[in-house]
Order: sequence, then structure tokens, then C-alpha cells
Amino acid sequence: KAGVTQTPRYLIKTRGQQVTLSCSPISGHRSVSWYQQTPGQGLQFLFEYFSETQRNKGNFPGRFSGRQFSNSRSEMNVSTLELGDSALYLCASSFGTGGSSYEQYFGPGTRLTVT
Amino acid sequence: AQSVAQPEDQVNVAEGNPLTVKCTYSVSGNPYLFWYVQYPNRGLQFLLKYITGDNLVKGSYGFEAEFNKSQTSFHLKKPSALVSDSALYFCAVRDGTGRTALIFGKGTTLSVSS
Repeated sequence: KAGVTQTPRYLIKTRGQQVTLSCSPISGHRSVSWYQQTPGQGLQFLFEYFSETQRNKGNFPGRFSGRQFSNSRSEMNVSTLELGDSALYLCASSFGTGGSSYEQYFGPGTRLTVT
Repeated sequence: AQSVAQPEDQVNVAEGNPLTVKCTYSVSGNPYLFWYVQYPNRGLQFLLKYITGDNLVKGSYGFEAEFNKSQTSFHLKKPSALVSDSALYFCAVRDGTGRTALIFGKGTTLSVSS
């Protein structure tokens, strides 16, 4: 089975621009979660989607948004980029959202640099 | 609110010695507990989980973890460390309802010397 894929792997943007990151989950997985990883803050939860519905949302400003499509693929968007948005953005998929079906599998991440 | 604490930023052990990476948690109700490992410039890899059942959980690469409800701990262990185990380790928790997100600790860097 192919793993979680994220595109692009690397991205350089300028302050004020917007960016869209994409995540394709493992085949058959219906839940996708997004995380931001920075050296200072560690792994911080952004969103969780299941069957196109946002189930949970982390404590991030409204500039961060996401969605999930009917094929379980997910995108996240960051508008009006700030320098502090520079981070590794990780996507994880799982079969479901409860119990043993919640084992998450992570993609390699998208490294976003904002200049 | 649920939370995870990894009290040590770094753990240093010699190859062949046992290793322990500590994790304590706070969650309402029954916890779902996980350990992940991250190698440089890579995503996280799942090591093991505790959902229910035996308190001693065995996982990938010879790692195991012990769930201790009274101490709200889920320490990661390995009887004999390898240099290749050097990486960043994350503990994560979610409550048993499945309605909350998976929350990660800050991570512990494990350094195994030869």
C-alpha cells in the first residue's frame, strides 16, 4: 500500500502571499489530520477531517483553513502568510477516528519557508 | 483539557544499555496513548499504542511501553539500545471518546553513543 503523500515537499513564499498544501491519505483511510511542527512549539494540531467533515480544530487563527474531498484527499490553505508560519506541515491519515482504528500514519511533510 | 508531558528534552544512553523515554499525560476518561519516532527530515513513524488490555505494549523495532494508570504515565523502553535508535521521540494522547484531537508532547531527543 502506498503511504501518505504530501505535495509539494518544499515551498518558499513571501509574506502576504497565500499557499495551498495537499495531502493524499493511504487508500481506504477516511480521516486526515494536519499538524504544524516548529522547533519552538513542537507538533501542534491544526485540523482533523473525517468523511469531508471537520471534526476538530486546533487553536490557530482563521488564516489557516482546510477541507477534505470525497476521495479523502485533503488540502490546507494559509492566507496572508507571516514569517512565523515557516514550519514543517505534516499530514496524517487513519482508517477511522475511534479506538484501534485511530492509528495515524504520517506523510513526509511539506517544508514551508516564508521570507 | 488533555495534555502530554515529556520531561526530558534529551536522553543519552550507551549502545547496549537499556533506555527509557518518559511520558506522562492528562486526559478525561480512558486514554488512547501512542509513541512515534521521527528521523531527520522525515515524517513521524508509528511505534506502538495503548488502547486497552495489557499494560505492557510491544511495538516496532524492539520497543515497548508500560501504561501506568495510577501514575498517568506511558514510558517508552527498550532493553538494549542501538545507535540507529537515535532520533526524536514523541508521546501522544487522545481521550477514549474519539471526539478530541491527538495531542503530542514536545518530543525527546534520544542519543545513543557507540
